[in-house]
Amino acid sequence: NFMLTQPHSVSESPGKTVTISCTRSSGSIASNYVQWYQQRPGSSPTTVIYEDNQRPSGVPDRFSGSIDSSSNSASLTISGLKTEDEADYYCQSYDSSNQVFGGGTKLTVL
Amino acid sequence: EVQLVESGGGLVQPGGSLRLSCAASGFTFSSYEMNWVRQAPGKGLEWVSYISSSGSTIYYADSVKGRFTISRDNAKNSLYLQMNSLRAEDTAVYYCAREGSLHHFDYWGQGTLVTVSS
Repeated sequence: NFMLTQPHSVSESPGKTVTISCTRSSGSIASNYVQWYQQRPGSSPTTVIYEDNQRPSGVPDRFSGSIDSSSNSASLTISGLKTEDEADYYCQSYDSSNQVFGGGTKLTVL
Repeated sequence: EVQLVESGGGLVQPGGSLRLSCAASGFTFSSYEMNWVRQAPGKGLEWVSYISSSGSTIYYADSVKGRFTISRDNAKNSLYLQMNSLRAEDTAVYYCAREGSLHHFDYWGQGTLVTVSS
């Protein structure tokens, strides 16, 4: 089994851009799609990016996803930060018989 | 509208058992793979178990293997998780999640809290 490692927390000011990384411990990040979920306090997770870089309908284009094979990591970038973006963000991927979540990143918009 | 509604959570003593249910509506339940995901208080998400659309393929996280059993009843549009030999570390909110395209959890329930304590 592999692990996905995220920074514990990030903070940035409204209107700025922030990037959250998700590094895969073994196996290629490109071999299986990566999803990103947003979870606000007291709520269930919702998808902000699926299949590496696809946005569900209703998710603003301020959210984007990418993968970088050289660092074996995925990234979630949020531009034009709004206070409503403050939440926990989780990356997720899989192998043949396991789903794996990253440890989560707390985004503070201050 | 897709809806997933979990039930069955509660307080149970260590070593005890509990059965969670997830009632699905708003989509063709029998066509979708389903999962259970849990979240301990103040902690991150942890995948627990997967079941294929027909129920013929099942996977478990190592942390619950041999103690938990996932099942489904497509006639009743329901997903289940039988949890035996419960431990304090199983204390969490348990979510059922629909698996959309390519291992994407596209819909989640509101969760049900399981507390294992004496």
